[in-house]
Amino acid sequence: GENVEQHPSTLSVQEGDSAVIKCTYSDSASNYFPWYKQELGKRPQLIIDIRSNVGEKKDQRIAVTLNKTAKHFSLHITETQPEDSAVYFCGNQAGTALIFGKGTTLSVSS
Amino acid sequence: DTEVTQTPKHLVMGMTNKKSLKCEQHMGHRAMYWYKQKAKKPPELMFVYSYEKLSINESVPSRFSPECPNSSLLNLHLHALQPEDSALYLCASSQAMGLGDTQYFGPGTRLTVL
Repeated sequence: GENVEQHPSTLSVQEGDSAVIKCTYSDSASNYFPWYKQELGKRPQLIIDIRSNVGEKKDQRIAVTLNKTAKHFSLHITETQPEDSAVYFCGNQAGTALIFGKGTTLSVSS
Repeated sequence: DTEVTQTPKHLVMGMTNKKSLKCEQHMGHRAMYWYKQKAKKPPELMFVYSYEKLSINESVPSRFSPECPNSSLLNLHLHALQPEDSALYLCASSQAMGLGDTQYFGPGTRLTVL
């Protein structure tokens, strides 16, 4: 069945540093890979997504890269700020259901 | 309107109570979802409605009963719940139930079962 592994489970960085979160998936039919940010007590919010016909996508300080051969995709956050502190979930969709990774708790200290 | 709304925000119920969670969206989306999220865990899919018809039921116990009265509304009827059902219940919607359609989440209902 579909499976997505997410690493690391926790990540602590200093303000201004970069943060990278990686997910690997198993279903080669996967073609949609969203990233959600969930602040404490709030809803998951889409921050960026990528489809399988694209290798990289960037939106200001956030970028996502996809390696379909290796079946992994990564979230890159540059110049981190304290407000980036949250839980980040990667997603993977091959059929009709969106499967989430287990989440990464990012802490940015000032 | 680009939001998914949910009521109530919080709900406390006993194991013999019957209650309902409500979800609404006015984005013209034709797919709507119920997820259950436990603390420090990812959302787990429960049900998917596509064009007001139940398309996916992820083997959810019958004490959870979904309903889609129209294309904008989604309900989750609760009856005889167990304490382990306490969680954040999230509703989401997307343009359609297809590959690559972004899902937008509501703020959730935090449910406590005593």
